[in-house]
Amino acid sequence: SQTIHQWPATLVQPVGSPLSLECTVEGTSNPNLYWYRQAAGRGLQLLFYSVGIGQISSEVPQNLSASRPQDRQFILSSKKLLLSDSGFYLCAWNEQPNQPQHFGDGTRLSIL
Amino acid sequence: AQTVTQSQPEMSVQEAETVTLSCTYDTSESDYYLFWYKQPPSRQMILVIRQEAYKQQNATENRFSVNFQKAAKSFSLKISDSQLGDAAMYFCAYVSGTSYGKLTFGQGTILTVHP
Repeated sequence: SQTIHQWPATLVQPVGSPLSLECTVEGTSNPNLYWYRQAAGRGLQLLFYSVGIGQISSEVPQNLSASRPQDRQFILSSKKLLLSDSGFYLCAWNEQPNQPQHFGDGTRLSIL
Repeated sequence: AQTVTQSQPEMSVQEAETVTLSCTYDTSESDYYLFWYKQPPSRQMILVIRQEAYKQQNATENRFSVNFQKAAKSFSLKISDSQLGDAAMYFCAYVSGTSYGKLTFGQGTILTVHP
C-alpha cells in the first residue's frame, strides 16, 4: 500500500536561517506531489506542485522554493526564513490530478 | 479563479443527531471534482467524501452524504448519527479537471460534538 512520510514533525528556526522540509511517498510511481501551507485556524494554500522529476510549478510568489530530485521525493526549502513563513506545512500526493490527495502528517514550523 | 466558501465558521451537534455543513463554490468550468476533508486536532487531513461534477447521484460514505446542487454550485455535507470522533475542522475543496490537481480549499468549519 502507498504511504507518505513527512519530516520533521516540528521545527523551530530563527529568522534568517535556512529551511529544508522533506516528503517521500512509497508504494507508487510518478505521483503528483504538492506542498501546502496552513495558517492557524484557516484553510490550506497550495504553494507548489510537481507532476514529474525536476518539474516544479509555483502557485504563490514567496520566500520558499521546492525541488523534486527523485520520483517520490519532494523538498521544500528556503535560504532565509521570514517570520511570515511560520505555519503548518503539508505534503500531499495523488496518482491522477482529479483523484483525492493523500496528505502527510505535516510539519509545524515556528520562526523566532 | 475558482473560489470555495464555507459560511459557517463553527457548528455544533448533539451526539447521535444529524448536522449539515454548507459549502458553495464559484467556477465557470463543467469538469470538476469536489471533496470534503476532515482535520481532527492531530491536524492530519483525512478524506471524507468525493463527488464528481458529471454525476447527478449524491455521493455517500456510511454516515456521511452530500447534497450536490450543480446549478446552485452548492455542495453540503450531512453527517448522520454524529459521534464524538466526528469533532474536527471540515474543509470543502474543489479541483478542476484540467488544473493538474490544484485543490482550492474553503476556510473550514469547526464541528463540535456534544455528548
